[in-house]
Amino acid sequence: SQTIHQWPATLVQPVGSPLSLECTVEGTSNPNLYWYRQAAGRGLQLLFYSVGIGQISSEVPQNLSASRPQDRQFILSSKKLLLSDSGFYLCASSPTGTGNDYTFGSGTRLTVV
Amino acid sequence: AQSVTQLDSQVPVFEEAPVELRCNYSSSVSVYLFWYVQYPNQGLQLLLKYLSGSTLVKGINGFEAEFNKSQTSFHLRKPSVHISDTAEYFCAVSENKLIFGTGTRLQVFP
Repeated sequence: SQTIHQWPATLVQPVGSPLSLECTVEGTSNPNLYWYRQAAGRGLQLLFYSVGIGQISSEVPQNLSASRPQDRQFILSSKKLLLSDSGFYLCASSPTGTGNDYTFGSGTRLTVV
Repeated sequence: AQSVTQLDSQVPVFEEAPVELRCNYSSSVSVYLFWYVQYPNQGLQLLLKYLSGSTLVKGINGFEAEFNKSQTSFHLRKPSVHISDTAEYFCAVSENKLIFGTGTRLQVFP
């Protein structure tokens, strides 16, 4: 079964600083990978998904970017954080070609101050 | 494009009462449907999912959901709730990626 390692668990960053959140997956090869954000009092919004190395699809325009340098590594980045980037970020994976089995990381709570 | 609507943002209920959390979806193809629960300051936990077969799906913690294709619904139910069921509940639909509804906050009162 898949296991997702996501870190850090909490992060406080000043406005204008860069961001890098990392997610790694174990127990599967060539997974589909996803980044979600949950803003305070709101639902889970899909930000990016990837079906392979270097293949990134963006779901919403924003201040963030994603990269997949290795098969089981997914990185969420920003060059300059905004206050509105605060939220709870979740990484998820699913076996390629299925769409019926998702595993989630434990999340990173980002506060931009 | 796939989408999910959770009609109730908050549902207050007394302990031991039944509850139904509503979910409607939109998709052009066959989909998979999910319910997740998020307890305060925690990540997501899968309650149940519908892939195919029987339209009544039983999950953990006494929850169940019924898939209704004609009404494009996947409502979550529990016959008797506990204080510990207080949490945020998310309905989600998957074609090739998982899309969530905006969530329903279930508040159980003693």
